[in-house]
Amino acid sequence: AQSVTQLDSHVSVSEGTPVLLRCNYSSSYSPSLFWYVQHPNKGLQLLLKYTSAATLVKGINGFEAEFKKSETSFHLTKPSAHMSDAAEYFCVVSDRAGGYNKLIFGAGTRLAVHP
Amino acid sequence: EPEVTQTPSHQVTQMGQEVILRCVPISNHLYFYWYRQILGQKVEFLVSFYNNEISEKSEIFDDQFSVERPDGSNFTLKIRSTKLEDSAMYFCASSGSDKETQYFGPGTRLLVL
Repeated sequence: AQSVTQLDSHVSVSEGTPVLLRCNYSSSYSPSLFWYVQHPNKGLQLLLKYTSAATLVKGINGFEAEFKKSETSFHLTKPSAHMSDAAEYFCVVSDRAGGYNKLIFGAGTRLAVHP
Repeated sequence: EPEVTQTPSHQVTQMGQEVILRCVPISNHLYFYWYRQILGQKVEFLVSFYNNEISEKSEIFDDQFSVERPDGSNFTLKIRSTKLEDSAMYFCASSGSDKETQYFGPGTRLLVL
């Protein structure tokens, strides 16, 4: 079965410093992986996705993620945090077993950005 | 940019009442989904819908739940007799030819009293 584990429930950084949000996955086949972001009182916005092309995936707002099969990881990074990055971030794996691609969500990491 | 919309944004109902949550998926999308997030818990899959029928459903999606695409634009989730434990944020999503990439609406926060 597919699953994802987000290793930190909360991450706090200062504005202008790097962001690292960690995610490990478990998959019985080559996975499709996503990061979604949820700002307060907003919906889930797709940040980026990995679907077995380049292992380094660039997303919106300067975020990127690297797929590392040997480590079963898909960590999200950003070189310099902005106040507007404060939100909850979800690592997600696609479960293709049924053929219709339901998404399996991690528990989420709440990112706080301090001035 | 096209987006998924949901109405209402908030709904308060009494236990045992029926509720209908509405979604307008992105117009050329063919696959539709409902997820929910109980406060403090993970976002969890409820049901997927394609070609006017349910393609997959979770254990949560019991006989109290139903989905419908009543016309060419709306996609609804009905809960027949709400329970306290149905209180959650309900998200609608849709995907197109790239069916793995799902686009989510802003959610409906349902509170059952």
